[in-house]
Amino acid sequence: KQEVTQIPAALSVPEGENLVLNCSFTDSAIYNLQWFRQDPGKGLTSLLLIQSSQREQTSGRLNASLDKSSGRSTLYIAASQPGDSATYLCAVEQGGSEKLVFGKGTKLTVNP
Amino acid sequence: GAVVSQHPSWVICKSGTSVKIECRSLDFQATTMFWYRQFPKQSLMLMATSNEGSKATYEQGVEKDKFLINHASLTLSTLTVTSAHPEDSSFYICSARGTGDDGYTFGSGTRLTVV
Repeated sequence: KQEVTQIPAALSVPEGENLVLNCSFTDSAIYNLQWFRQDPGKGLTSLLLIQSSQREQTSGRLNASLDKSSGRSTLYIAASQPGDSATYLCAVEQGGSEKLVFGKGTKLTVNP
Repeated sequence: GAVVSQHPSWVICKSGTSVKIECRSLDFQATTMFWYRQFPKQSLMLMATSNEGSKATYEQGVEKDKFLINHASLTLSTLTVTSAHPEDSSFYICSARGTGDDGYTFGSGTRLTVV
């Protein structure tokens, strides 16, 4: 059974810092990995999608990497801003299942 | 990009009543939609997979008679919580996959409170 773990559970940083969020998964037979952002009481906003054949994806200040063999992904946020404060969720899609398995998320607070 | 609309965003109902939540894909057709449930400070748990024109597939432990799913068209799936009880209070979110390898798009969620 696939399990997804996100570390740390919470992170508080001053504005301007670069930071890394970690995601690990137990079964490397994934189709893709997706990072989402969730604001309190809201739905999920997709940030980056990495196919299993890819190593990384970039969008603006965000960079996500994937090491499928070791079961790890990182989300790098450059020059953090207070508006980045949210919970970041990592999810993997199992090969052939169309089902997403989520981690519990990392709650990020960026202080002005 | 793909957009999924979910309504209502919040609802309060009395115990014993039923509540319907709608999930629409606005600019694409979705043969498959997914319903998740999220408890406070917990991650999303898949409840069921909604298939257009056929019965939904429920995850283990999810009562299919309590959580009725209908996917009557390629752009609309509904989740009906029947005979709701306070323990059904939760945040419900739907998702669908766009065309190609775009990953999943999520609705804005529905906060259900049963009193």
